[in-house]
Amino acid sequence: KNEVEQSPQNLTAQEGEFITINCSYSVGISALHWLQQHPGGGIVSLFMLSSGKKKHGRLIATINIQEKHSSLHITASHPRDSAVYICAVRLTSGTYKYIFGTGTRLKVLA
Amino acid sequence: ETGVTQSPTHLIKTRGQQVTLRCSSQSGHNTVSWYQQALGQGPQFIFQYYREEENGRGNFPPRFSGLQFPNYSSELNVNALELDDSALYLCASSLAGGRSEQFFGPGTRLTVL
Repeated sequence: KNEVEQSPQNLTAQEGEFITINCSYSVGISALHWLQQHPGGGIVSLFMLSSGKKKHGRLIATINIQEKHSSLHITASHPRDSAVYICAVRLTSGTYKYIFGTGTRLKVLA
Repeated sequence: ETGVTQSPTHLIKTRGQQVTLRCSSQSGHNTVSWYQQALGQGPQFIFQYYREEENGRGNFPPRFSGLQFPNYSSELNVNALELDDSALYLCASSLAGGRSEQFFGPGTRLTVL
């Protein structure tokens, strides 16, 4: 079992739909990141969370430390949101080690 | 303010060769982390450098080594290349030993034949 698991692995949505991507982890963390990766490889950091909720435009990220779970929501989805969304956790150990999920591949159809 | 840059963009090597990948951190950032991303997988943490010292390492063999320079740019060196080393290599810069948000470079795609 991976220490960081994402669901779903693949998601196809119609433009305008509300999308939720989930991330569960089994290790102690000091922070959780949501990343966006487009074809070709470039990664953009969307959020870094250690508690609560953050919002940026149409994106909302929440984290529940007790349940070891985070969600990324996209409101009013658009084809340009099509990308791989990756959850990454920073461990609470002394060194700054990160563990990444395998990503959720999102395709938004016009 | 310049973002994180990596060079080269693409690279083809043969088994047994050595490779050096380069990363220039975002202006003002003193921490660089390196990741390996195999096709269809999430990135795997290789190591992190903070103020020119290794500050954490993932499960990679010693033939993966790194350097950070006084201007905080960094190199990833891989010796004795193996076919499984074919991947996208990403670097990310941040402040304060990685306690702040990371900013990723575009990656170097390495193919080992």
